This record gives sequence, C-alpha cells and structure tokens, in this order.
Amino acid sequence: GDSVTQMEGPVTLSEEAFLTINCTYTATGYPSLFWYVQYPGEGLQLLLKATKADDKGSNKGFEATYRKETTSFHLEKGSVQVSDSAVYFCALSDQGGTASKLTFGTGTRLQVTL
Amino acid sequence: NAGVTQTPKFQVLKTGQSMTLQCAQDMNHNSMYWYRQDPGMGLRLIYYSASEGTTDKGEVPNGYNVSRLNKREFSLRLESAAPSQTSVYFCASSEEGPWFGSYTDTQYFGPGTRLTVL
Repeated sequence: GDSVTQMEGPVTLSEEAFLTINCTYTATGYPSLFWYVQYPGEGLQLLLKATKADDKGSNKGFEATYRKETTSFHLEKGSVQVSDSAVYFCALSDQGGTASKLTFGTGTRLQVTL
Repeated sequence: NAGVTQTPKFQVLKTGQSMTLQCAQDMNHNSMYWYRQDPGMGLRLIYYSASEGTTDKGEVPNGYNVSRLNKREFSLRLESAAPSQTSVYFCASSEEGPWFGSYTDTQYFGPGTRLTVL
C-alpha cells in the first residue's frame, strides 16, 4: 500500500538558518504530494502541493519539488523564522477511488530559536 | 466563512460511554473526512464521504460509525468508547466529488477535538 516516510524530529534551528525536511513516498500510481503544517493548538493547513512529476510547489518561502525518480518531496526554506515553529506533515493522495484519501507521514516538529 | 468547524473541542469519557463528534463545513464541498491523530503516527483516516449520501471506511474504522447528515455535516459516533480511542480527531473537507482527478484536491481541516477515554 501507499506510505510516506519523513525525517524524525524535532528539528531545532536558529532563526535565518536553512531548513530541509526529507520526505520519501511509496505509491502504486502517480500520486499528488502535499506538505501540511500544524501550528500549536490548531488543525492542519495546506502549505504547498505538487500534482505531477517535476512540479515545484511553493508558498511563504517554502519549496518542494516532486521527484519521481527518487520518490521524494523534500521541504526546504532558505531562512526560517521563529513563526515557522510548527509540525510539518508530508502526505500523498493516490489515483483511483472517489475521494482523495490522504496518507500522512508521522510529522516533523520544527523549533526555531532566536 | 468559518471553514470547517468541530464540536466539542474537548471531551472526557468513561469506558463504555457513547458520544458523537460533530463537523460542519460552509464551503459547499462535496467530500468530507474523519482522521485521528496519535503521537508518532501522523493522521490516519477513519471514514470518509465522497459525496452526500455515501460513506466509506478508511484505514482505522473499527469502533466508529459515521453519518453524512447533509452536504454540510458529517458526524462521527463512538458507540462504546475504549481507552484506545483516546486521540485528537480532525474533520476535513474538499471540493472534489466522485470523478477522476479528484486526488489532486486540497483538504481543509477543522481545529480538532481532543478526546480522552478513561
């Protein structure tokens, strides 16, 4: 079945540091890939997505490129801020069926300090 | 436009008690979902409804029932709560309907219900 593997956290960075959170996936078809972010005490919200190979999703300075050859969708940001502290989830949605059932990774907690 | 709302925010139950978690969305979305979030396990799909009048099991449906009351509302019921159902429950919705290509759609999440079963 489908699965998503992302790096374990927590990840602790100083403000303005470069961020990479690794995500790899296993899927039978050609999935869509997503990064969701969860701020403390809140629900998940979409950060970015890519729906086909070589697509790059971007939002709020975050980027991720859909790499079919390495089955990866790594999240990057050039300069993190304290306000980026949150839990980040990589997810995929595979073809088939009548709804986009998401398969999530376990989440990576990011803590950014001054 | 409130998005996806869930009630209650917090609930404590005793083993064997029943309760219903409510979810409503005001975005005229076709599909709705219930997930549970447990430490170290990400989110897992319990049930989903691709369109009004239909429901299907997800990855972890045992111990739960759902009702798609109308296009806006999707409730989750625990008939006899167990400690293993202690979790944070999230409802989500997406615009898609039962057609090919829907797997690209974004899901919108509610704020969650934190449930403790003693």
